[in-house]
Amino acid sequence: ELKVEQNPLFLSMQEGKNYTIYCNYSTTSDRLYWYRQDPGKSLESLFVLLSNGAVKQEGRLMASLDTKARLSTLHITAAVHDLSATYFCAVEVSGYALNFGKGTSLLVTP
Amino acid sequence: DVKVTQSSRYLVKRTGEKVFLECVQDMDHENMFWYRQDPGLGLRLIYFSYDVKMKEKGDIPEGYSVSREKKERFSLILESASTNQTSMYLCASRGSMPDTQYFGPGTRLTVL
Repeated sequence: ELKVEQNPLFLSMQEGKNYTIYCNYSTTSDRLYWYRQDPGKSLESLFVLLSNGAVKQEGRLMASLDTKARLSTLHITAAVHDLSATYFCAVEVSGYALNFGKGTSLLVTP
Repeated sequence: DVKVTQSSRYLVKRTGEKVFLECVQDMDHENMFWYRQDPGLGLRLIYFSYDVKMKEKGDIPEGYSVSREKKERFSLILESASTNQTSMYLCASRGSMPDTQYFGPGTRLTVL
């Protein structure tokens, strides 16, 4: 059974600081996705990582994928309050279905 | 822009009722999915469909069934709703090429 583990599950950080969210998974895959969810809202796609070594950046967020280590990271640079949300990683194994991590709830404080 | 719509944002049903949740996508996607989301458990896949009239069980199919009679529409059916099916239900779709899944706004179902 594929396991997808995110850590931390809760993160409170000050504005302006940097931090990394980790996503480990237990089986071979080279397709990993990051989503953002605001309270009461649905999931919004952030990044699509489709090969080993893939790196994508959008604003203050950067995601990377190391398929050999079965690890993806979501790095936050100089956090701002608008980044407060829950972030999910999801791994695609077969049949296009995704296995999600439990999510990292991020709160950025002044 | 891809648009995935769900028939209701909020739904309240009684135990034992038959419940239909509808999902429609406008991007001619082959693949459609139903998830439920519960606090502390993340998203769990209930069923998915890769073509009209085709379906595959996900991780938690018990107590649910699905129907896909047209490419753009994927329905989730709770044959006899129970209180433990109170949850947020999210529909998603994706094309045939490797790409993200596009999610609908969700239906928050409460079973009393």
